[in-house]
Amino acid sequence: DILMTQSPATLSVSPGERATLSCRASRSIGSNLAWYQQKPGQAPRLLMYDVSNRATGIPARFSGSGSGTEFTLTISSLQSEDFAVYYCQQYNYWPPWTFGQGTKVEIK
Amino acid sequence: QVHLVESGGGVAPPGRSLRLSCAASGFNFSSALMHWVRQAPGKGLEWMAVISYDGSNKYYADSVKGRFTISRDNSKNTLYLQMNSLRPEDTAVYYCAKVGSDAPFESWGQGTLVTVSS
Repeated sequence: DILMTQSPATLSVSPGERATLSCRASRSIGSNLAWYQQKPGQAPRLLMYDVSNRATGIPARFSGSGSGTEFTLTISSLQSEDFAVYYCQQYNYWPPWTFGQGTKVEIK
Repeated sequence: QVHLVESGGGVAPPGRSLRLSCAASGFNFSSALMHWVRQAPGKGLEWMAVISYDGSNKYYADSVKGRFTISRDNSKNTLYLQMNSLRPEDTAVYYCAKVGSDAPFESWGQGTLVTVSS
């Protein structure tokens, strides 16, 4: 199974600042990576797919990069609604589809 | 607009069974691959099972293989997860998710909580 490792576990950021989240795959997954946002008490929501494509309705302040085993989600200027947990997920080798353990973005 | 609504969660003692349902609307359900994903309290996301559009192909996570069965009724636009031999570690919110043209978990339901406890 592909192991997805996210860092840091928690990221403390002030509103308006930039946030950079990392995700590493245990072996190359090409560009088959997605990011999800989850707020407390809510279901996950698709943010990005194929590394850098924003899902419908996702604002341009969210961007993704990387390939192979190293990936990054960047939020250029954090808004209050962006404080949440973010998960990366690979879909290159399945089953199983595997998720990272999550990065919590909290208000500094 | 895609709408997925899970139901059937609740409290069950270890060893018992539960059946979850996911009612789908707003898209052509009979053409969509569908997943179940769970999330234990305070934990991350864990993929459980997937089913092809016609139910002919199914895959399971090792943690539930032989105990859980995914199925669908395209005439009712409904996805199911039959959960047998429940264990305390199966306690989680269970989500159904639709596969999209671009991403495997394009849309999610709101989830249903399953608690396995005596």
